[in-house]
Amino acid sequence: GAVVSQHPSRVICKSGTSVKIECRSLDFQATTMFWYRQFPKQSLMLMATSNEGSKATYEQGVEKDKFLINHASLTLSTLTVTSAHPEDSSFYICSAQGLAGTYEQYFGPGTRLTVT
Amino acid sequence: EDQVTQSPEALRLQEGESSSLNCSYTVSGLRGLFWYRQDPGKGPEFLFTLYSAGEEKEKERLKATLTKKESFLHITAPKPEDSATYLCAVIATGGGNKLTFGTGTQLKVEL
Repeated sequence: GAVVSQHPSRVICKSGTSVKIECRSLDFQATTMFWYRQFPKQSLMLMATSNEGSKATYEQGVEKDKFLINHASLTLSTLTVTSAHPEDSSFYICSAQGLAGTYEQYFGPGTRLTVT
Repeated sequence: EDQVTQSPEALRLQEGESSSLNCSYTVSGLRGLFWYRQDPGKGPEFLFTLYSAGEEKEKERLKATLTKKESFLHITAPKPEDSATYLCAVIATGGGNKLTFGTGTQLKVEL
């Protein structure tokens, strides 16, 4: 149980284009989903928290107009990187939380974004 | 400010050589402490949740313990497949449901 998927696993895009990453909880309903970014040999950096049907809450320093988050259902959240630039290249990971009475976050396998 | 510090940063063990990883935390109040395993190029895999001092959890060769200031992840007779980065994280009371991560311990188990 508690499986989270992400799609795509890898994406290469040209500078100036937008990229959408999907995060799905496959066997449970996720009341809250989180989006993280991870740089090489560093820990995870929380970008934003989203609750189903609500606007996402962004961490300080994260541009909400650049990283658009939608949490339209209890099993799906999307992150769209708009007008991507090479500095947006990174490993993006989502997590889902929602099993009743627990605080555990279950992570997706991650998406490697390369902007050329 | 909530803080999580993990030590050592890296650890090299021989197969069968038991050891412990440390996670020290400073929070106003602890809602939960979590251990994850992360393999290169993958998302973290959930291992354990600990909620109160004195609690212990076990899974195969891993055992997690919790005090009021720190947690230990004990690895008994490790195998090469236990090689990974082990992450510790906390959720503090008043911090919503956000995880605060440590920087991890990179474990390598050699034959």
